[in-house]
Amino acid sequence: DGGITQSPKYLFRKEGQNVTLSCEQNLNHDAMYWYRQDPGQGLRLIYYSQIVNDFQKGDIAEGYSVSREKKESFPLTVTSAQKNPTAFYLCASSIRVTSTDTQYFGPGTRLTVL
Amino acid sequence: AQSVTQPDIHITVSEGASLELRCNYSYGATPYLFWYVQSPGQGLQLLLKYFSGDTLVQGIKGFEAEFKRSQSSFNLRKPSVHWSDAAEYFCAVGAILTGGGNKLTFGTGTQLKVEL
Repeated sequence: DGGITQSPKYLFRKEGQNVTLSCEQNLNHDAMYWYRQDPGQGLRLIYYSQIVNDFQKGDIAEGYSVSREKKESFPLTVTSAQKNPTAFYLCASSIRVTSTDTQYFGPGTRLTVL
Repeated sequence: AQSVTQPDIHITVSEGASLELRCNYSYGATPYLFWYVQSPGQGLQLLLKYFSGDTLVQGIKGFEAEFKRSQSSFNLRKPSVHWSDAAEYFCAVGAILTGGGNKLTFGTGTQLKVEL
C-alpha cells in the first residue's frame, strides 16, 4: 500500500527537551510538508521541501527544524525554543510543487508537553 | 495573501437531510480550491478539488462543490447526509510559494454533527 506514515501517534515531551517526529512516504513524491493543527485555527504550514537536501520555512517555522536527506523521509524536530509545542502535527506530500497538485496527508502525531 | 473563511464552526443536521458547508476565499489570481475531511484524531482526506472548467465538481462519498467566482465561494454540498459523515471539514486554497512549492491555506474548519 502506498501512503504516508507518521510516528509515533502520541508523543509526550518534558519542557526543555527536543523531540523528533517521523514522516515517511512511499508515493515517490518530490514535495513534502509539515503542518501544525490547533483547535479552531485550521492548519498552518511549518516547513516544506521540494527536493532532497532542500527545504523552506513556512508561516510558523520558529522553534522547529527539518531535514530532507532522503526523498522518502522528512523528519520534524520540535526544539526547546518552541514555546507552545502542544498540538497535532500533520505531514503531507505531493507529486510536484505546483499549486494544482493534491497534497496527501499522514495520520498525524499528537504532541503533548508535560 | 490568500485567505479562507468558513463561517460556520459547528453544524448539526439530521441523517438523510441535505447539507451545505460554506467556504469563502480571498485570492488575487485564479484559485485552486480543495475540500478535505478529517475524522477525529486522523489525517485529512481529499473530498474534491477545483482547478478550472466546470464550476460544479463531484467528489468522493457523494459530495459536490460549486465554484462561484462572483461570490468568491466554494460551498460543499451533499443531498443526503449519512451518520458516517460526522467529521470536521476544511476548505483550502492552493497557491504557489515564493520559493517554489505548493502552499495550502486552510480555513478554520466546520465540525459536522449528524443526528440519528
